[in-house]
Amino acid sequence: NAGVTQTPKFQVLKTGQSMTLQCAQDMNHNSMYWYRQDPGMGLRLIYYSASEGTTDKGEVPNGYNVSRLNKREFSLRLESAAPSQTSVYFCASREGQGRNTEAFFGQGTRLTVV
Amino acid sequence: AQKITQTQPGMFVQEKEAVTLDCTYDTSDPSYGLFWYKQPSSGEMIFLIYQGSYDQQNATEGRYSLNFQKARKSANLVISASQLGDSAMYFCAMRVLNNAGNMLTFGGGTRLMVKP
Repeated sequence: NAGVTQTPKFQVLKTGQSMTLQCAQDMNHNSMYWYRQDPGMGLRLIYYSASEGTTDKGEVPNGYNVSRLNKREFSLRLESAAPSQTSVYFCASREGQGRNTEAFFGQGTRLTVV
Repeated sequence: AQKITQTQPGMFVQEKEAVTLDCTYDTSDPSYGLFWYKQPSSGEMIFLIYQGSYDQQNATEGRYSLNFQKARKSANLVISASQLGDSAMYFCAMRVLNNAGNMLTFGGGTRLMVKP
């Protein structure tokens, strides 16, 4: 059972380059999330998708776009990468309907923008 | 807006002793859920325990228990009989239901270090 799969695991970008972080879950979950974690800090919500076909901004959406391609996949795009976007990015999913369902996380993508 | 606060950046505990990690929250939504996650140095996020806002009893999962004080808006994690493997970052998180659906926000975390 794969759970939540993120690709790539590591990436180095030059300032101004674009890239898409991929996330897929095989648990038939409704809600999916993208977070960033800076060194020694907590997770900050970038965007989330409560259900297929919907997306909404979190705490730190500037510089990012998302696509909920289908129920399984939720991608995060950086159109023009900046050094301030150097971080570890986590994708998560949860069932979304029940109150007591925990979020499952991918292994993270370590992104460095130089 | 909802907010989660963890005021202890770092904590030390002696092996085999109990430790309490603090978490306070702020929300106007009467229906919410509180979660604790562990992040070891390897980086993965491990779910530990959940407490619902309408739950009458404090949640327990093995050595983990949640001291839920609704009036004070606190949801502290208690780890009993600490083990060296408990050394990690610990995050408190809150789920609230808003117009867009379920939003899950995290506190800044507490680094727990267990001394042998």
